[in-house]
Amino acid sequence: GNSVTQMEGPVTLSEEAFLTINCTYTATGYPSLFWYVQYPGEGLQLLLKATKADDKGSNKGFEATYRKETTSFHLEKGSVQVSDSAVYFCALSATGGGADGLTFGKGTHLIIQP
Amino acid sequence: NAGVTQTPKFQVLKTGQSMTLQCAQDMNHNSMYWYRQDPGMGLRLIYYSASEGTTDKGEVPNGYNVSRLNKREFSLRLESAAPSQTSVYFCASRPRTGTNSGANVLTFGAGSRLTVL
Repeated sequence: GNSVTQMEGPVTLSEEAFLTINCTYTATGYPSLFWYVQYPGEGLQLLLKATKADDKGSNKGFEATYRKETTSFHLEKGSVQVSDSAVYFCALSATGGGADGLTFGKGTHLIIQP
Repeated sequence: NAGVTQTPKFQVLKTGQSMTLQCAQDMNHNSMYWYRQDPGMGLRLIYYSASEGTTDKGEVPNGYNVSRLNKREFSLRLESAAPSQTSVYFCASRPRTGTNSGANVLTFGAGSRLTVL
């Protein structure tokens, strides 16, 4: 079946530090890949996505590149802010597979200190 | 505002009581989902509805029932609440089921926090 593995954290960084959150996946076929973000007390919202190999998704200074050869979709940001403190979920959507083709990682709690 | 609306936002129940969480979306999406979120467990799928008139079990369906009332509404019922069902519940929807299209993005509600004493 499909699966998504990500570091769970918490990850604590100082403001303006460089961020990497690792995400690797296992899936049949060619999934679409997503990063969702959950701010405190809110639901999840889409941060960025990529639909095919070598695509780069980007939004709000965050980037992730779909690497089929390493089955990875790592999230990066060059300079984090306190407002980036949230839980980040890596996810994939595939044809077939369990649970309607949707698979989420367990989430990474990011804490940015001023 | 377009999106997914969940009610209630907060609820406290006693063990054995029943309740229904309501969810409605106004984006004409075909597929709807109920997840629960617990510390250290990530998101776990309870039930989903690929299209109006169909429902399927997810990872943790025991103790829950669902109804896809129409295309817009998907409710989650706890018939006899237990403390293990204390959680934050999220409803979500997306345009269609089981494709890898990048347009097939989930939209989530704001969540319903349930405490069972």
